[in-house]
Order: sequence, then structure tokens, then C-alpha cells
Amino acid sequence: AQSVTQLDSHVSVSEGTPVLLRCNYSSSYSPSLFWYVQHPNKGLQLLLKYTSAATLVKGINGFEAEFKKSETSFHLTKPSAHMSDAAEYFCVLNGRQGGKLIFGQGTELSVKP
Amino acid sequence: DGGITQSPKYLFRKEGQNVTLSCEQNLNHDAMYWYRQDPGQGLRLIYYSQIVNDFQKGDIAEGYSVSREKKESFPLTVTSAQKNPTAFYLCASSIGTGLETQYFGPGTRLLVL
Repeated sequence: AQSVTQLDSHVSVSEGTPVLLRCNYSSSYSPSLFWYVQHPNKGLQLLLKYTSAATLVKGINGFEAEFKKSETSFHLTKPSAHMSDAAEYFCVLNGRQGGKLIFGQGTELSVKP
Repeated sequence: DGGITQSPKYLFRKEGQNVTLSCEQNLNHDAMYWYRQDPGQGLRLIYYSQIVNDFQKGDIAEGYSVSREKKESFPLTVTSAQKNPTAFYLCASSIGTGLETQYFGPGTRLLVL
């Protein structure tokens, strides 16, 4: 079975400090993994994606994620949080079944001034 | 500009009423999707379409119907059979249904009067 687990439902950081949002996955295939961000009452915006090329993936707005097969993880990081980063973040696995995506439950990121 | 549009932004449904949510894309994508999002949860797939005049049920299709008469349009009807329709509905599209990235619209919030 394929699944995605986001290990924290809520993360709070201070502005200017590092961000770490954790994601573990389970897949019998070589996975494609994504991170999306959702601001309140908005659609999802793609931050970055991993598709079996480089294991360190750089995305928009200074975010990056590292694919670690041995740990089945795809954690999202950013060196310095900005107030505008406050949002919900989803780790997503492509299920290879007609493009079906498997979503984690989401991590809400709060950024304190 | 290329993108996905959803209308209306807010929609109110009376008991026993069918309502239709609009989704249009000008990205020339073959595949389109409808998701439902409930508070504190990830997205769940309602229906998807890989090509014009074809669509498949997702994980929670009961109480919903779709059509795909044109490549750029994939409307979703929430029927009276859907007993708990209050949610945020997101439409997405992708070039195909392999490992391609899905791009999301801004969403429609459906409320029951």
C-alpha cells in the first residue's frame, strides 16, 4: 500500500529561523513526490517535486527538500522563515494509478514575528 | 495567462438541490481532477478524467457527477444524494495521468443553507 505521513500537524517558528516540515512515505514503486503550499481559502501551489533525478530538490521561495530512500523521507526545509510562509503544507505522492495523488494530512506552519 | 479557473468562489446549496461547480483550464491539459477538502484533512479524489468524453470515479464519488464534453471544461455536480456537501472543492489538471505535476485552481467553497 502507498501512503504519506506528515509527522507534525502544526509547526511554529520565529521569523528568520529555519523551517523543517517532516514527511515519510511508503511506496512499492520508485516514487514521485511533491510539496504543495496552501494559503487560507486558496488553491494549492506547487513548491517543488522529486522525480528520480537529483535527490536534493530546490523549489520556489527558498524551499528545498531532500529525498532519502533509506529513510523513506522527503522533508521540506527553508533556512530562514518569512512571515509570508505561514500556510498549510502538503506532502504528496504520485500513486502511479491514473495520476492519482496520495496526500498527507498537512502541516500548518505558523511564523511568529 | 494560462491557468485554471473555478467559479463561483462561494456557493450556497439548499436542501434537496443540485448545484454545479465550474472548472475551466486553458493549459491544453488532457487530464482533469476534482478533489474535496475538509478541515484538517488532506484532499480526497472525487472524479478524474484522462481524456474528453471519459471519466472515472475516485475515492468518494457517491453523490457527485461529472461530464467532460470539452477538453478545457470539467464541471462537477453535487447532487441531493450527497448528504454532507459542505467542503472546499478543488479542481486540478495535468498534461497526462502519469507522473506529471497537477496544477490546482483557486477552489470553490460550498455551504449548505
